[in-house]
Amino acid sequence: SQTIHQWPATLVQPVGSPLSLECTVEGTSNPNLYWYRQAAGRGLQLLFYSVGIGQISSEVPQNLSASRPQDRQFILSSKKLLLSDSGFYLCAWGGVEGNTFGSGTRLTVV
Amino acid sequence: QQQVKQSPQSLIVQKGGISIINCAYENTAFDYFPWYQQFPGKGPALLIAIRPDVSEKKEGRFTISFNKSAKQFSLHIMDSQPGDSATYFCAASKETSGSRLTFGEGTQLTVNP
Repeated sequence: SQTIHQWPATLVQPVGSPLSLECTVEGTSNPNLYWYRQAAGRGLQLLFYSVGIGQISSEVPQNLSASRPQDRQFILSSKKLLLSDSGFYLCAWGGVEGNTFGSGTRLTVV
Repeated sequence: QQQVKQSPQSLIVQKGGISIINCAYENTAFDYFPWYQQFPGKGPALLIAIRPDVSEKKEGRFTISFNKSAKQFSLHIMDSQPGDSATYFCAASKETSGSRLTFGEGTQLTVNP
């Protein structure tokens, strides 16, 4: 069965520091991968999606970037975090029956 | 932007009652309509889903009703329990977009004991 791993679970970073969140998928090949952000009490905002290695589509202009160096690895990065980057970040892979989400990373920028 | 509109934003139901959450979509090309359940601090999990070739799908206490002509679909939770308290998201996708989902804004459900 397919599983998705996302880490770390929580992260507190100062403004201006870099960010790297990693997501890996097991049990499937060439998955569609997604990064979402969820602000407190709000819906899911799609940030990036990837249909293959090196293929990244950005949904919202922002302070973040994504990369897919391997088939089942998806990385969310920032060179300099802003306070507004705080939120709950979710990685997901897409199958025929919709998205399967990771457990999320709670990022607090201070 | 293709949208899925979800209501209500929050819902309080007594234990044993029926919880109803509604969604409306605009894009007639959508052909897959899942519902997700999210507990605090966790990622959303697929709860139940429907395709437009049927008007209703039931899994245990959870039922999706689908009205293709009105472009609306709803989630009904029968005999609501305190353990059902969570945020619920409707979503929609079209086959040509692969697994890319358009989500509603979510409904925070509270079931009082």
